[in-house]
Amino acid sequence: NAGVTQTPKFQVLKTGQSMTLQCAQDMNHNSMYWYRQDPGMGLRLIYYSASEGTTDKGEVPNGYNVSRLNKREFSLRLESAAPSQTSVYFCASSVEGPNNEQFFGPGTRLTVL
Amino acid sequence: DQQVKQNSPSLSVQEGRISILNCDYTNSMFDYFLWYKKYPAEGPTFLISISSIKDKNEDGRFTVFLNKSAKHLSLHIVPSQPGDSAVYFCAAVYNFNKFYFGSGTKLNVKP
Repeated sequence: NAGVTQTPKFQVLKTGQSMTLQCAQDMNHNSMYWYRQDPGMGLRLIYYSASEGTTDKGEVPNGYNVSRLNKREFSLRLESAAPSQTSVYFCASSVEGPNNEQFFGPGTRLTVL
Repeated sequence: DQQVKQNSPSLSVQEGRISILNCDYTNSMFDYFLWYKKYPAEGPTFLISISSIKDKNEDGRFTVFLNKSAKHLSLHIVPSQPGDSAVYFCAAVYNFNKFYFGSGTKLNVKP
């Protein structure tokens, strides 16, 4: 079991470029999430998907789009990157149950110049 | 406006003593509260959670306390070990999918 995998690990973009961050989980979880972590801000929810075929906005969705391609994969797209999107991005999936436990990927460190 | 706050950015504790990490929240609709631990260059890992209908949950050296009237959550680690040194995030969730995280507390356990 690989758990939650994210690609790429690092990326540098120029302002205005686009890119897609990939996330996959092999735990058969229904729910998946994208977060960003900025210094002093903790993790902030960008988008989530409660099940295959559904997506919903989180706390900071502006400038991002997501696709729940199938049960395993949940991608995050930046159409026109801005320096304010420089951050570490984490994907997570969660167990349905009393704990609401989330399993996180290792993160993607994105720099927008 | 942050709905979940961790007001102490760092905490230093001697090995073997108790570590107490605190968290405050503003939304009374939260269903669950969770604590995560994070090492550098890794994703957060789940530690322990508590339902909003309980006031205490214990798992080994980790105990989480919930005071709903004060909208306050705390994590106790007893005894603290050097391997516990990490950043600890509290999180709150409602509607089972909307998670809000605090800004984290960096715990340093000195040998």
